[in-house]
Amino acid sequence: AQKVTQAQTEISVVEKEDVTLDCVYETRDTTYYLFWYKQPPSGELVFLIRRNSFDEQNEISGRYSWNFQKSTSSFNFTITASQVVDSAVYFCALSEARSGAGSYQLTFGKGTKLSVIP
Amino acid sequence: EPEVTQTPSHQVTQMGQEVILRCVPISNHLYFYWYRQILGQKVEFLVSFYNNEISEKSEIFDDQFSVERPDGSNFTLKIRSTKLEDSAMYFCASSAGPYYGYTFGSGTRLTVV
Repeated sequence: AQKVTQAQTEISVVEKEDVTLDCVYETRDTTYYLFWYKQPPSGELVFLIRRNSFDEQNEISGRYSWNFQKSTSSFNFTITASQVVDSAVYFCALSEARSGAGSYQLTFGKGTKLSVIP
Repeated sequence: EPEVTQTPSHQVTQMGQEVILRCVPISNHLYFYWYRQILGQKVEFLVSFYNNEISEKSEIFDDQFSVERPDGSNFTLKIRSTKLEDSAMYFCASSAGPYYGYTFGSGTRLTVV
C-alpha cells in the first residue's frame, strides 16, 4: 500500500531563512505521481507541483524548489528566503498509476506546519 | 482557469440529520473524488468515482455515506445520519487522469452539533 511520511510536524523559521520540508514515500508501483499542496489558514488546498516517477529532474519555481530522489524515495521541498506569506501547512501526496484501477486516489502525508516569523 | 465548485462552504447540522454536500467538477474530467480533513489532521481519501460508479472507497466510507452524479454535472456526497465525528472539512476533487493532476474545490466545512 502507498504511504507518505512527513516527519516534521511543525517548523518555525525567521523570515528570509531557507527551509526544507521533507517527504518520504512508499509505493509498490513503478509509475506514480508525487505532489505538494499548500493549505493556508483559509483552508483551501493550493496545488504547488506534480512530478511523475520517470522524471527525476529537480525543479525550481521562483523561491520554491523540489528535489526528487528515487534512490531514497524522497521528494523534498525547499523555500528560499522565506516570507510570512509562506506560513501554512504543506502536504506531500502520492498517486499510483495502476492501469485499469479507475481510482488513482491521492494519499497524503500528515503535513508540516510552517510558521515564518517576521 | 476551470474550477471545482463546492456548496455550501459551511454547514451546521444536528446529529442524526442527513446532509448532502454538493460539488460541480470540471466538465471534461473523468475521475471524481471526495476527501475528508478532520481539523488539524491530514487529508483522507473517502471515495473515487469513475464511469458512473464507485471505483474505490476507503474504510471511512461506510454505509452512512453515498455518492451520486445525478445529472452529469453535479457530484454529491450524502451522509445519512450524521455523527459528531463527521465534523470535518470535505473536499471534492476532479481529474482528467493522474498525469494531469487533481483540481480541488475550496471545501465544505461540516459541523455536527
